[in-house]
Amino acid sequence: GAVVSQHPSWVICKSGTSVKIECRSLDFQATTMFWYRQFPKQSLMLMATSNEGSKATYEQGVEKDKFLINHASLTLSTLTVTSAHPEDSSFYICSARVPYFEAFFGQGTRLTVV
Amino acid sequence: QQQVKQSPQSLIVQKGGISIINCAYENTAFDYFPWYQQFPGKGPALLIAIRPDVSEKKEGRFTISFNKSAKQFSLHIMDSQPGDSATYFCAASRNTGNQFYFGTGTSLTVIP
Repeated sequence: GAVVSQHPSWVICKSGTSVKIECRSLDFQATTMFWYRQFPKQSLMLMATSNEGSKATYEQGVEKDKFLINHASLTLSTLTVTSAHPEDSSFYICSARVPYFEAFFGQGTRLTVV
Repeated sequence: QQQVKQSPQSLIVQKGGISIINCAYENTAFDYFPWYQQFPGKGPALLIAIRPDVSEKKEGRFTISFNKSAKQFSLHIMDSQPGDSATYFCAASRNTGNQFYFGTGTSLTVIP
């Protein structure tokens, strides 16, 4: 089946620094990828929809300048958490969907800001 | 507004028992209903999915029951095993769209 690879699986960074998370679709072209944030014992919260070659669409309440999304190719989307602070610590998950079929999720990235 | 409502929030089942998780939706435009299984520290993985043209789909020990008129669907896990202990999310989407709307999740614990 199709695979979505997310990297890194965990990262610890200092407050004020930026962190980049990569999401790759390994064997299919994903014109659209999704970025989610998940707090402990909670559901997935959609942050933004990443469209190849165009600007991402952010959900209400998500800071565009803090969570920069780039979808430069059909197989790669990146999420950069800029000037990270402890409250940005969370589990971030990307997803890509083959139209009319299932969605595939990355392994997730555990971000800890100290 | 929660597009998909899921219950219960947590569930404890004896090994060999049946686990049942329920979901309800409002948007009649939804026509794809998957269930995802998530282990701690991992991304969700597709378990089973159904489209509204059938009322039931079975894959091994996992069955989805779908009631279009009631706008409800449920996951049944037969012969539950300790390895099934995980968080389960239902979801809904439109085939022509891309976005999934997730339920709030059910934490399942299967005790030996």
